[in-house]
Amino acid sequence: EAQVTQNPRYLITVTGKKLTVTCSQNMNHEYMSWYRQDPGLGLRQIYYSMNVEVTDKGDVPEGYKVSRKEKRNFPLILESPSPNQTSLYFCASSLSKVREQFFGPGTRLTVL
Amino acid sequence: SQQGEEDPQALSIQEGENATMNCSYKTSINNLQWYRQNSGRGLVHLILIRSNEREKHSGRLRVTLDTSKKSSSLLITASRAADTASYFCASQTGANNLFFGTGTRLTVIP
Repeated sequence: EAQVTQNPRYLITVTGKKLTVTCSQNMNHEYMSWYRQDPGLGLRQIYYSMNVEVTDKGDVPEGYKVSRKEKRNFPLILESPSPNQTSLYFCASSLSKVREQFFGPGTRLTVL
Repeated sequence: SQQGEEDPQALSIQEGENATMNCSYKTSINNLQWYRQNSGRGLVHLILIRSNEREKHSGRLRVTLDTSKKSSSLLITASRAADTASYFCASQTGANNLFFGTGTRLTVIP
């Protein structure tokens, strides 16, 4: 089944404790992206990747890192999480930047 | 930020009625996309309309695009209770970014 998977789905952590949210797609998509969704603000893009080893900042990159060592994986790293990073995070992939995106199920992160 | 805006923020209709949602964006686009989200879950792509298209249909969905007004609308005809969800427009700019609006929460009452 074609899909985007994220892990974990739910995470509660404390300020400053490094964490990684994994994202994997099995559709051989070149373009991958991370978003955060907050009430009243819609979805905002954090980082995106056009292809392996190519990443770039989105709208709200501060406090986040990403890597794209393999085509299928695009992990999101929070080196020192803070409470303002409490949010619902979505990973997405698509064939190219101008095509429709396929979204993962989301990761609900709470930083205490 | 180049976020778009949807109007209305919330819409409640009876089953069988049509639902219209509007979207405005700020700069030139390659395409505009509409997505649906059931509560707290991932977004599902509904339809994509390119900047050189004015209207597109997919089943009970009809999307229009007016690039001179930087606006788009999504019409859902003969609504069903299962259409209850949040609907987002997303404008795809030439700089690779996809900018989402804040969404319209649609409730279809059986």
